[in-house]
Amino acid sequence: QQPVQSPQAVILREGEDAVINCSSSKALYSVHWYRQKHGEAPVFLMILLKGGEQKGHEKISASFNEKKQQSSLYLTASQLSYSGTYFCGTERVGNDMRFGAGTRLTVKP
Amino acid sequence: SAVISQKPSRDICQRGTSLTIQCQVDSQVTMMFWYRQQPGQSLTLIATANQGSEATYESGFVIDKFPISRPNLTFSTLTVSNMSPEDSSIYLCSIDRGAPNYGYTFGSGTRLTVV
Repeated sequence: QQPVQSPQAVILREGEDAVINCSSSKALYSVHWYRQKHGEAPVFLMILLKGGEQKGHEKISASFNEKKQQSSLYLTASQLSYSGTYFCGTERVGNDMRFGAGTRLTVKP
Repeated sequence: SAVISQKPSRDICQRGTSLTIQCQVDSQVTMMFWYRQQPGQSLTLIATANQGSEATYESGFVIDKFPISRPNLTFSTLTVSNMSPEDSSIYLCSIDRGAPNYGYTFGSGTRLTVV
C-alpha cells in the first residue's frame, strides 16, 4: 500500500525551512527517505526503524512517530543543492518497499 | 556499499519489439527489485527477483510482459516484451543493502521510449 506524502511541491528561498510528511494507515517496519535529482536515480538519505526515533544528517533530519505510522523529513536552512524530488519509502514486515508520490522541492537563490 | 551497473542507459524501440535490461551488482545479494518510473511520477514496483526461484510480480504486472531472469546472486535482467508507447518509462533495478548500512541502492536507470 502506497504511503501518503505531502506536500506535492514546495518552493523555497535559500535559507528557508521545509517539512515533508509521509503517512500510512498501518504500522510500518521502517521508513526510508530518498532524494532524486532530475535525470538521476534516487539516493538514500536515511532510514528510521524505531517508533519515536529522530535522526539527522547535516541540516536534514527526520522523525518517526511512536505508532510508526507517520514520518516527517525536516530540511533546515535550505541550500540550492537540496533541490530535487523527495520520496518516502515504507516497508511492512515481510513486504517490499512502497514509495510515496514524491515532493518536488525547489530552492531558489 | 554496493554498486549496480545498469544498461542500456536509454533506448528507442519500435512497438511490438522487446528490450532486455541488465543489472550487475558488485556483490552478492539475495533479492533484486525492478521498478518503473514514469516521467514526473513515483516509483512503482514491478517485481522482486530471487535467485533460484520465480520472480514475484506486483498487481498489474505479468510475467509474459515483463519476464525476469536471475541466474546468480549478482545479476538480473528484465525484458519488456511486445512494447507499446505506454511502456515508455524509466526502469530501475535496486537492491536492499540491509544492515548495517541499510537503504536501497538503485541502478542508474534505463530510459525507454517506444515509438
